[in-house]
Amino acid sequence: NAGVMQNPRHLVRRRGQEARLRCSPMKGHSHVYWYRQLPEEGLKFMVYLQKENIIDESGMPKERFSAEFPKEGPSILRIQQVVRGDSAAYFCASSLGTSGYNEQFFGPGTRLTVL
Amino acid sequence: KQEVTQIPAALSVPEGENLVLNCSFTDSAIYNLQWFRQDPGKGLTSLLLIQSSQREQTSGRLNASLDKSSGRSTLYIAASQPGDSATYLCAVRVIQGAQKLVFGQGTRLTINP
Repeated sequence: NAGVMQNPRHLVRRRGQEARLRCSPMKGHSHVYWYRQLPEEGLKFMVYLQKENIIDESGMPKERFSAEFPKEGPSILRIQQVVRGDSAAYFCASSLGTSGYNEQFFGPGTRLTVL
Repeated sequence: KQEVTQIPAALSVPEGENLVLNCSFTDSAIYNLQWFRQDPGKGLTSLLLIQSSQREQTSGRLNASLDKSSGRSTLYIAASQPGDSATYLCAVRVIQGAQKLVFGQGTRLTINP
């Protein structure tokens, strides 16, 4: 039973390019959360998605960032026109159901470096 | 707004000591509290999860307690080893809205041989 998978594990982009981060939740999990960890900072919530729906994007920057979780395939976090300040580790977590008592399981993260 | 604070920010102790890491949170409306370990440049390893109705959880040399009414949790590490060196993160799962995890800044632990 594979855990949460994220790819790529490391991503290097030049300023102005697009970054696409993928997250495959654990089997049977339909709830996905994205968190960002800036250098020397704690993890901060970005967005919560269920299949085909964005439930809460209150932690997402208003511009250049978007997320989706289609009916088929992984969840995608997309960053357009990246800037140096986007350099961070991006973690995805999945959970089984709507109950807050369900544990969130984390993937290994994608480390984005913007040159 | 939920805020999570971890004290101390860094801790260095000799091998073999028992130690306590502290976590406090401002809003008691939580589902659970979780302790994670993070090695440099790596992902998160879940250590212990305490549901809001529980007082403590134990795993091996680790024991975590939760006092929801006072907004505090402690992680107790017995007989520390150099391999325990890592950053320890505390997170609470909030009841409001997205039921997201709110993380503390972490305690960077160094165990000296």
